[in-house]
Amino acid sequence: AQSVTQLGSHVSVSEGALVLLRCNYSSSVPPYLFWYVQYPNQGLQLLLKYTTGATLVKGINGFEAEFKKSETSFHLTKPSAHMSDAAEYFCAVSDRGGGNKLVFGAGTILRVKS
Amino acid sequence: NAGVTQTPKFQVLKTGQSMTLQCAQDMNHEYMSWYRQDPGMGLRLIHYSVGAGITDQGEVPNGYNVSRSTTEDFPLRLLSAAPSQTSVYFCASSYSRPSATSYEQYFGPGTRLTVT
Repeated sequence: AQSVTQLGSHVSVSEGALVLLRCNYSSSVPPYLFWYVQYPNQGLQLLLKYTTGATLVKGINGFEAEFKKSETSFHLTKPSAHMSDAAEYFCAVSDRGGGNKLVFGAGTILRVKS
Repeated sequence: NAGVTQTPKFQVLKTGQSMTLQCAQDMNHEYMSWYRQDPGMGLRLIHYSVGAGITDQGEVPNGYNVSRSTTEDFPLRLLSAAPSQTSVYFCASSYSRPSATSYEQYFGPGTRLTVT
C-alpha cells in the first residue's frame, strides 16, 4: 500500500525566508502527486499537482514542487515566505490506476515569524 | 457554483446515537469521497463513489455507511457513534474521466463531530 512521509510536523521560518516542506512517497511506480493547503477551520485547497510531463511544477501563491523519481520525493518550496502562508500543508499521492483515491501524509504546520 | 457543501458544521453526539452527515456538489463530478482528519494522521479515506449507485470502501470504513442515489449527493451515516469517531469529516469530489483537471479534488468545509 502507498504511504507518504512528511518530514517535520512543524516548520518555522522567518518572513522572507525560503520555505521547504519535505515529502517522500513509497511506491516503486511513480504515482500522481499533490500538495494541499489547509487554513485554520477550512477545507483543503489544491496548491499544485504532478501527473506527467515537466518535473518542476508551479502552483498558486508562488509555491512550486519538483518530482524526483530517483529520490521518491516531491518537496514543496517557496523562495520568500509571507505571513499569509501560515497554514497546514499536506502531501498526497494516488495510484495512476486509481487516480482519485488519495493517500495523505500526516501534514506539516508552517509557522511564519515576523 | 457553490462547490462542495457539507452540513452540519458542528455536531455533538452521545455514544450509540446515529446521524447522517450531508454532502452535496454542483459541479457534476462523478467521483465523491469522505475522509476523516485526525491530528498527526492527515486525512484517511472512509468511503468513495465513482458514480450514482456505486460505492466502495476506503481505508477506514468500519462504523460508517454510504449510498449514492444521485450524482450530487453523497451522505455519510454513522450507525452507532463511538468516541473513536470524534474527528473532522471532509467530503470531496472530482472528475474521474481524463481532463485537464483530472484528479483535482475539491473539498468541502468540513464537519466537526464530537462523540461523548
